[in-house]
Order: sequence, then structure tokens, then C-alpha cells
Amino acid sequence: ETGVTQSPTHLIKTRGQQVTLRCSSQSGHNTVSWYQQALGQGPQFIFQYYREEENGRGNFPPRFSGLQFPNYSSELNVNALELDDSALYLCASSSIRDRGDEQFFGPGTRLTVL
Amino acid sequence: AQSVAQPEDQVNVAEGNPLTVKCTYSVSGNPYLFWYVQYPNRGLQFLLKYITGDNLVKGSYGFEAEFNKSQTSFHLKKPSALVSDSALYFCAVRPPPPGGGNKLTFGTGTQLKVEL
Repeated sequence: ETGVTQSPTHLIKTRGQQVTLRCSSQSGHNTVSWYQQALGQGPQFIFQYYREEENGRGNFPPRFSGLQFPNYSSELNVNALELDDSALYLCASSSIRDRGDEQFFGPGTRLTVL
Repeated sequence: AQSVAQPEDQVNVAEGNPLTVKCTYSVSGNPYLFWYVQYPNRGLQFLLKYITGDNLVKGSYGFEAEFNKSQTSFHLKKPSALVSDSALYFCAVRPPPPGGGNKLTFGTGTQLKVEL
């Protein structure tokens, strides 16, 4: 059983650019969630995907978007990057959307916006 | 809306002593509660969860947590701390199904420092 993996590990972008972060879910998991963790803060829920559809969204603007693929891997896309988007982005997968199972987190992608 | 409070930014404890990391929550209905640990430059690792049943939940690495509905608390405990337990600990809550998906609301975290 493989764990959750994310790529890239680190990324540096400039303000106004676009970025794509990738996540590979743990084997057997069909639900993926993305979180943003700013420095010194707890993770904040961005959105969740279940069976390739967005299924719940936090308080993030539309320039944060995502995809989930048939193999349950996922992407987070952020357009028009702002300085405040600098954070650790965490992907988490779980087996069933609404059963209360714990989520398994990847190591994260550290995004720096200059 | 659901929320979690971790009132202590940092907890210091000597190795071998018991430790407690505090968490209180607010959520509609019966909560699903979780504790995660984060080591430097790493993602979050699941420690334990409370869904229903016994108020004392046992988890990984010797940690346990006590659910107290009347006080809306879910404090993390360990009888004997190790230096290797030093890390950032997060409490999280989600509303019970159906609805809410897997959206976790996290506290701001408590840095645990265990010293020799």
C-alpha cells in the first residue's frame, strides 16, 4: 500500500503567475482534499473531490481550482498568484467520503510567491 | 460553523513526565474529532480519532485522548513523554455525516517540546 505523494516538493513563482500542484492518492482511496497551511497556522480546507467532482469548498476564491482523475490522482491549480498564496499545500486522501475515516496526508508542496 | 481552539501555543514537559495538549471544539451535532502530528518539513500524521463509543481513545505511539462532551474538549495525553514526541500537534473536527464531506477544521496547533 503506497502513501500519498505530492509533487513538486518546493516551488518558487512570481506574483501573477499560475501554478499546478499534483497529488497521488493512497491506494484504494477515492476522495481527495486540499489544504493550505500558512506559516504558523493550521491547515485551511480549500476543497474536496469525490469521483472526479468538486464536493465541498472552503473560503477560497475561484482562482483556486482542481481536478481529480479516474485513477484518483489530483491537481490543484492556482491562477494569478498573490504573495499571500505562499504556503505549504497539503493533499489528503481518504477511502469513503462520508464515513469519518481519517485522512492521510502527503508531505506537501512548499510554494513561495515572490 | 465548526471551530477548534488550542489555547496553548507551546507546551514544555520533561522526558518521562505525563503530557497533556488541550483542545476544545464547537460543532453542530456529535463531533468527529482527530489529532494529527506534524514534524518539521513534513505533512500531517494521523494519531487518533473519536467517532463514538468510549470517551478514552487510544492511538499511535502511546498517545490517547479523552472526549468530554459537557466541556466540549478532546485533550491529547501521554503517560510518559519522549524527546522524540517533540513536534507540532493539531486538533481537528468535522461534522458527522451526512454532509460536510471530509472537511476538517484544524486548530492553530500546539508546539510540544520534551526536554531531557
